[in-house]
Amino acid sequence: GESVGLHLPTLSVQEGDNSIINCAYSNSASDYFIWYKQESGKGPQFIIDIRSNMDKRQGQRVTVLLNKTVKHLSLQIAATQPGDSAVYFCAENRRGGSQGNLIFGKGTKLSVKP
Amino acid sequence: GAGVSQSPRYKVAKRGQDVALRCDPISGHVSLFWYQQALGQGPEFLTYFQNEAQLDKSGLPSDRFFAERPEGSVSTLKIQRTQQEDSAVYLCASRGVFGTGELFFGEGSRLTVL
Repeated sequence: GESVGLHLPTLSVQEGDNSIINCAYSNSASDYFIWYKQESGKGPQFIIDIRSNMDKRQGQRVTVLLNKTVKHLSLQIAATQPGDSAVYFCAENRRGGSQGNLIFGKGTKLSVKP
Repeated sequence: GAGVSQSPRYKVAKRGQDVALRCDPISGHVSLFWYQQALGQGPEFLTYFQNEAQLDKSGLPSDRFFAERPEGSVSTLKIQRTQQEDSAVYLCASRGVFGTGELFFGEGSRLTVL
């Protein structure tokens, strides 16, 4: 498979532990944020999103936290599983940009040890 | 099909050749986006269509890059006189609603320019 993630920050966790992936975004005008998961050789897959009028949103085993004061976004994965191993990207939609044009961060590679 | 379909999945071109990459969005999705993803990086915006109208092409790196969506469905990204720095995965994404929301990505077309 391809070697996506060779130069990416890496988070290594034990199966069953919780994972926290962090992201700093740059534009205070951004009003919508998404976390994507990308497995080797595949396109990004939606995990969870959050709008700027919220500070927390929960999905199945995942939680996104938004701190607008410090422009920080985090993704928490509960009971991490080997299938969660992938590169995770945060993306922001900048108000005033193309409708729905998402600006992606550089990504974090999550490795889950069985 | 049920998802975004891209072809070819892999393309090897000699420097100076022209290439064309095709995207079939999810049926009925009005918004279509092209992104470029270099190895170890997050996707970077290239261009955006709303139906057949190209509303934003600010991310196209040079005038060698051209995208079209003549009937508001299938889109083609064309790269003329390819250079080695064009080597990347080209991702297509579509969205069914106007405004912000989840983008559905295809698997991408990996272009290698020798």
